[in-house]
Amino acid sequence: DIVLTQSPVLAVSLGQRATISCRASQSVSISSINLMHWYQQKPGQQPKLLIYRASNLASGIPARFSGSGSGTDFTLTIDPVQADDIAAYYCQQSRESPNTFGAGTKLELK
Amino acid sequence: EVQLVESGGGLVQPGRSLKLSCAASGFTFSNYYMAWVRQAPKKGLEWVATISTSGSRTYYPDSVKGRFTISRDNAKSSLYLQMNSLKSEDTATYYCASLNYGGSPDYFDYWGQGVMVTVSS
Repeated sequence: DIVLTQSPVLAVSLGQRATISCRASQSVSISSINLMHWYQQKPGQQPKLLIYRASNLASGIPARFSGSGSGTDFTLTIDPVQADDIAAYYCQQSRESPNTFGAGTKLELK
Repeated sequence: EVQLVESGGGLVQPGRSLKLSCAASGFTFSNYYMAWVRQAPKKGLEWVATISTSGSRTYYPDSVKGRFTISRDNAKSSLYLQMNSLKSEDTATYYCASLNYGGSPDYFDYWGQGVMVTVSS
């Protein structure tokens, strides 16, 4: 199975940039298609799709969210961070079955 | 507006069975692959099952293969998860999710609010 590694916690100040990383145990890219996706989960709520295929913003997601990366290293950037962004963020790969998720990064206020 | 509403959760003893349901609305259900994803308390997300648009193809991880069965009724816009031989490690919130399919299962577009399943004696 492809293992996705995320840092457990990231502390940021409001108005600053947050950079959340996800590293895969093997490449999740096929040709130019990067099969890595990002979700936001607030406490007590279901996950919500933020970014699909590494860099595509999902419908209704604010432009302060962006994604980048290829191969094994991917990044979710929030700039600027707002109070409403305090949540857990998960990456997910669809390169091969079983589709796997990272353990999540909890974004906290500094 | 897309809505996915799960039901059927609860407390069940180890070794027993439980069936979850998910009622979908706001989109053409029969055009979408669907999936179940679970989250153990204070833990991360784990994919549990996927079903094709017609229901002819199903996919499972090894952790539930042979015990869980995903099915759908397109006429009722409903998704199901039959869970047999339940174990304590199956305790989790179970989410119903629509799945984008681009030649293979891809990302989870929309998620329900989840239903809790507790396996305990």
